[in-house]
Amino acid sequence: RKEVEQDPGPFNVPEGATVAFNCTYSNSASQSFFWYRQDCRKEPKLLMSVYSSGNEDGRFTAQLNRASQYISLLIRDSKLSDSATYLCVVNINMRFGAGTRLTVKP
Amino acid sequence: DVKVTQSSRYLVKRTGEKVFLECVQDMDHENMFWYRQDPGLGLRLIYFSYDVKMKEKGDIPEGYSVSREKKERFSLILESASTNQTSMYLCASRRTGLLYTEAFFGQGTRLTVV
Repeated sequence: RKEVEQDPGPFNVPEGATVAFNCTYSNSASQSFFWYRQDCRKEPKLLMSVYSSGNEDGRFTAQLNRASQYISLLIRDSKLSDSATYLCVVNINMRFGAGTRLTVKP
Repeated sequence: DVKVTQSSRYLVKRTGEKVFLECVQDMDHENMFWYRQDPGLGLRLIYFSYDVKMKEKGDIPEGYSVSREKKERFSLILESASTNQTSMYLCASRRTGLLYTEAFFGQGTRLTVV
């Protein structure tokens, strides 16, 4: 089993839609998690950290479920500019998921 | 402004050549990482270093080695390049000791082995 697993998608959604991605992890000792965004032919950049209590940044909400060992990212009111690949990472050992590709269409 | 710099954006090498990929960070970060990224496989960890002169194997170290003689520089070495090492290589660094430390990436090196 991979340490971090993501649904690769692709997710194709219309503008304004709400979309959610999940990421499961196997190392129960993991304590910190992040979501990164990667645009085509660019390096990954931090989107947001995932705190135990959940956190929100504008249209983006990150959640952690320790019991089931997954993190989630919710994007509300999708914009064309949200089109990218979203990567989750388990910070304890810097293992990334394979990424979920999102395309937001007009 | 934080910066992780990889020596080349694009590189073409011949099979059997010894290849050096260089990564330099200016943030005094302790931890540094090398990944390769292939379509459908995401970022796979090759090697990492928690501090100067320290190195640990990641998930796919075969065919690679690393060097970390100075804190700011982490080199990835392909001992004898092969076509299956054609990939995008990404270097990252982060500070250690804090729970939610962000990793910063270089711009990537697209290596083609012919």
